[in-house]
Amino acid sequence: EVQLVESGGGLVQPGGSLRLSCAASGFTFSSYWMSWVRQAPGKGLEWVANIKQDGSEKYYVDSVKGRFTISRDNAKNSLYLQMNSLRAEDTAVYYCARDPSQSSGPRLEFDYWGQGTLVTVSS
Amino acid sequence: DIQMTQSPSSVSASVGDRVTITCRASQGISSWLAWYQQKPGKAPKLLIYAASSLQSGVPSRFSGSGSGTDFTLTISSLQPEDFATYYCQQANSFPPGFGGGTKVEIK
Repeated sequence: EVQLVESGGGLVQPGGSLRLSCAASGFTFSSYWMSWVRQAPGKGLEWVANIKQDGSEKYYVDSVKGRFTISRDNAKNSLYLQMNSLRAEDTAVYYCARDPSQSSGPRLEFDYWGQGTLVTVSS
Repeated sequence: DIQMTQSPSSVSASVGDRVTITCRASQGISSWLAWYQQKPGKAPKLLIYAASSLQSGVPSRFSGSGSGTDFTLTISSLQPEDFATYYCQQANSFPPGFGGGTKVEIK
């Protein structure tokens, strides 16, 4: 059974940093593109970033470029999101999601999702 | 960036009703369109990919159609467990954007 379990969320002051983790199990983690998708309270879904199987390619939504860094450790079956210079508008539930692509290019769809971890940016 | 617009933003329906949700892309995306269902406090669930392909395990009452800029999600006979919010998402290019959502409520 595919499982994605996020952790690391919490309350942080504006300008602060947080590192999210996603532990994957039930599939060959190193074979798949992975993404982070967020959802502000009461709002819709927003894709944040994705990373290729070997970590050699990473893409970000414009609003987080230069502040967030996606990474992965295939030996630990884990995905990460380092978030720096956090702003109030980054407040959201952050989901780890699997892209079904096992090839060199992503499909940009998300077939499995974690339960999410809440990040609140507030003073 | 490609903008995704869903309509309606909410719909009230009864069990057994046929429900259709529309999604329009600001430019052509071929068939690179996915649909998700989200229930309160839960993660989204993939229903349809490539505009009309049913994800494994999803009931056949869900169907998708369309290509280019105009797409639809149809629930042929609404069941109690289908009351949720539905999102379309373009998978054609970066960034993969979502529509604003359609909430299906009980009439």
